[in-house]
Amino acid sequence: SYVLTQPPSVSVAPGKTARITCGGNNVGSKSVHWYQQRPGQAPVVVIYYDNDRPSGIPERFSGSNSGNTATLTISGVEAGDEADYYCQVWDSRSDEYVFGTGTKVTVL
Amino acid sequence: EVQLVESGGGLVQPGGSLRLSCAASGFTFSTYSMNWVRQAPGKGLEWVSYISSSGGTIDYPDSVLGRFTVSRDNAKNSLYLQMNSLTAEDTAVYYCARVARDTAMSTAYFDSWGQGTLVTVSS
Repeated sequence: SYVLTQPPSVSVAPGKTARITCGGNNVGSKSVHWYQQRPGQAPVVVIYYDNDRPSGIPERFSGSNSGNTATLTISGVEAGDEADYYCQVWDSRSDEYVFGTGTKVTVL
Repeated sequence: EVQLVESGGGLVQPGGSLRLSCAASGFTFSTYSMNWVRQAPGKGLEWVSYISSSGGTIDYPDSVLGRFTVSRDNAKNSLYLQMNSLTAEDTAVYYCARVARDTAMSTAYFDSWGQGTLVTVSS
């Protein structure tokens, strides 16, 4: 089955930029979506279709997707951005939705 | 305001069954595809089932195929998940999640989630 690999953790100082990668075979040919999950809460979509932001999501959140890697970038990181982040795609070979392994973002 | 409220979780013995429900409000439920997504304690997200707005298209991952059955009642604005032959590996918080409107199944993302209901499979 299709696998999306994310780094387990990313640490970043306030005001700096966090980059979270999502690696998968030819993921650039798929639509990638990103979810933020704060402790004890349900996931919230922060980026869809590689780089679109839902209303209410700050412009600090952006995405890119090419080749075998999709990336979620959080600029000017704030304490409230501390959460787990998951990428998600549809795998047409298995007809399944696939989530990445997840990345815990820690704000130093 | 979109609301999704799951219920029906609890403690069940291995081999047992459980039926989860998700009550939807704040939007026209019958026009949206829906999913169940689960999260084992301390683990990541795992997609569990998909059902189209009419119920005509249903999909499962291999991990639950043949054991779980998703259904919906558009007249009652409700989504269901019948879970049979449960094992310890099914222990998780189960979320219902709405597919964003006007998205094809192959590019769909989940724009609203409930708060989840905990299912614990243990003797």
